[in-house]
Amino acid sequence: KAGVTQTPRYLIKTRGQQVTLSCSPISGHRSVSWYQQTPGQGLQFLFEYFSETQRNKGNFPGRFSGRQFSNSRSEMNVSTLELGDSALYLCASSLGGAKETQYFGPGTRLLVL
Amino acid sequence: AQTVTQSQPEMSVQEAETVTLSCTYDTSESDYYLFWYKQPPSRQMILVIRQEAYKQQNATENRFSVNFQKAAKSFSLKISDSQLGDAAMYFCAYRINAGNMLTFGGGTRLMVKP
Repeated sequence: KAGVTQTPRYLIKTRGQQVTLSCSPISGHRSVSWYQQTPGQGLQFLFEYFSETQRNKGNFPGRFSGRQFSNSRSEMNVSTLELGDSALYLCASSLGGAKETQYFGPGTRLLVL
Repeated sequence: AQTVTQSQPEMSVQEAETVTLSCTYDTSESDYYLFWYKQPPSRQMILVIRQEAYKQQNATENRFSVNFQKAAKSFSLKISDSQLGDAAMYFCAYRINAGNMLTFGGGTRLMVKP
């Protein structure tokens, strides 16, 4: 099976712009979670989508949003970008059950200038 | 709130030797999962090993094993016969038995010396 894929892999934006990142889960996986990784804050959970519904949400401002499509692909959107949004954004997929393991994609590196 | 602490920012080990990475966590839950993930320079997070809290037996995966002490809320990773390819950041992570929200520790950078 193909692994989790994320596009684009690298992105440069300027303050105030918005950005959309995409994540395609492993075939058959219905849960997609998003994480932000920065040197200062480490790895932080953004949100999880399961069967097109947001199931869990981390402690991030409303500028961070996401959605999931019927084929389980997910997008996350960040509006009004700030310098502090520069980070590696990782998505992870799983079958969705409580016992299931999450498998991570290679990440999208976002730089905000 | 659950927290995960990795007290060793950096560790080094000689090739072929054994190293243990420490992790402690704080939770009031009784049913949860613990994980060790490896993040090499490529930044791809790779699952190393997982442990279900209800299982007393420590998990093992080839050269990787854990020492799970539930009462002490401790979850250390032992890497035996270290290889150059083991050099990476290692993250300890916690998840309750509901949903898919992982709480990560700050990570330990492991260096392997030839």
